[in-house]
Amino acid sequence: GEDVEQSLFLSVREGDSSVINCTYTDSSSTYLYWYKQEPGAGLQLLTYIFSNMDMKQDQRLTVLLNKKDKHLSLRIADTQTGDSAIYFCAESMRAGSYQLTFGKGTKLSVIP
Amino acid sequence: DAMVIQNPRYQVTQFGKPVTLSCSQTLNHNVMYWYQQKSSQAPKLLFHYYDKDFNNEADTPDNFQSRRPNTSFCFLDIRSPGLGDAAMYLCATAKGRGQNTEAFFGQGTRLTVV
Repeated sequence: GEDVEQSLFLSVREGDSSVINCTYTDSSSTYLYWYKQEPGAGLQLLTYIFSNMDMKQDQRLTVLLNKKDKHLSLRIADTQTGDSAIYFCAESMRAGSYQLTFGKGTKLSVIP
Repeated sequence: DAMVIQNPRYQVTQFGKPVTLSCSQTLNHNVMYWYQQKSSQAPKLLFHYYDKDFNNEADTPDNFQSRRPNTSFCFLDIRSPGLGDAAMYLCATAKGRGQNTEAFFGQGTRLTVV
C-alpha cells in the first residue's frame, strides 16, 4: 500500500472550516508537512509538525497529530475561495530533510 | 522576487530527443532537489545534491541525470525521453539538514513528450 494516504477531494462552503486528513505508515517519521499547490504552480510549505507534538496552530491553520494512529489532519478555519488548491501531506525521517514521501494530494474546492 | 527559478515553465520535446531542464536559486542553499510529479500523483524525489555530493534515489531510472556546476544552478537531463516521462518537474532548495529548515520550491517545468 501507499506510504502516505489522503482522500482525493473535499468540497466546503466559504466561511466553513475544512479538515483534510492524512494517514502514514512509517512509525519512524519524524517530521510531517502540509503543502499547498495552486493550479500550475509549485509547492508552498504551509506548516509542519514534529512527531513529539500533538498540535500546532498558525493563524487559520491547525495541525493535529495522532502518532498512535499515524493520523495527521489540517484544519483551515474560515475557508476562503483563495484556499482552493491541492493540499499534500508529506513525511520525512530527518529534520530539514526534503527526501519527502508525499501523499497524492487532496483537492479542496471552496464554494462561494 | 522569485528565489527558485525554473526554466522553461513549459517544455515540449520529441520522443527520444535529449532534453535539459534548469533550476537556479538566489538563496545560496546547500541542498537542491529534483522531484517528478505525474498527473494526479504525488511528487516523487528523483535525486538531490548536498553541495557537490550527488544522491540518487534507488528507483530513479538511468535515463535521468543531473548536474550541479555551481551552488546556484542545477540541471535535470533526460537522455531519451519516453511518453511516460511527461510530468511536472519540481526543483527545491534547502539551506541544510538542521531543524526548522524550510525548503523552497520553484514553480515547476511541465514537460510534454510528443
